[in-house]
Amino acid sequence: DAGVIQSPRHEVTEMGQEVTLRCKPISGHNSLFWYRQTMMRGLELLIYFNNNVPIDDSGMPEDRFSAKMPNASFSTLKIQPSEPRDSAVYFCASSFPTSGFYNEQFFGPGTRLTVL
Amino acid sequence: AQSVAQPEDQVNVAEGNPLTVKCTYSVSGNPYLFWYVQYPNRGLQFLLKYITGDNLVKGSYGFEAEFNKSQTSFHLKKPSALVSDSALYFCAVRVMDSNYQLIWGAGTKLIIKP
Repeated sequence: DAGVIQSPRHEVTEMGQEVTLRCKPISGHNSLFWYRQTMMRGLELLIYFNNNVPIDDSGMPEDRFSAKMPNASFSTLKIQPSEPRDSAVYFCASSFPTSGFYNEQFFGPGTRLTVL
Repeated sequence: AQSVAQPEDQVNVAEGNPLTVKCTYSVSGNPYLFWYVQYPNRGLQFLLKYITGDNLVKGSYGFEAEFNKSQTSFHLKKPSALVSDSALYFCAVRVMDSNYQLIWGAGTKLIIKP
């Protein structure tokens, strides 16, 4: 398996522009996570999907952020309009079905977003 | 409140020496604990986890971690460090009654010097 795939790897955009980040989870994984990593705030969970349904979006910073998972093999995180403070590395992670109470997450390589 | 702490921002170790990266936690109930590693410009990789059972957990790349309930610690260890172990290490604890949410430590930068 190729692992979790994210695109693009780097994105540079100007303030006010729309940004769309993409993720393909590992086949067979039914849980998907979007994280944001910054020096100041560390690793933050933005949203969690289970079986393509958003379960917890309490970490989404504001209405400018939205995420979708139209099918089991694809998810997007959109920022519209983007602001300089959105600059961060965004990670997608997936996890396989839980028979116990928790299974480890597999992370993608991340998208480094710079908003000028 | 549940929390996890990594008291050291950076740990420096000479190659071949044993290494320890510290993690302490605060949870109600039985903790589920994890270690992840992040190499430069890469995503986090799972190293090991403690759910129940033996207090000494063995993981990838020769790492192990010892769960100590009385000290509420889950320190990551390796008997002999390699330069390639240089990376950012994260400890995490599962949020009680959640099957998905983790509380992440701030990370510890491990530098192994030749």
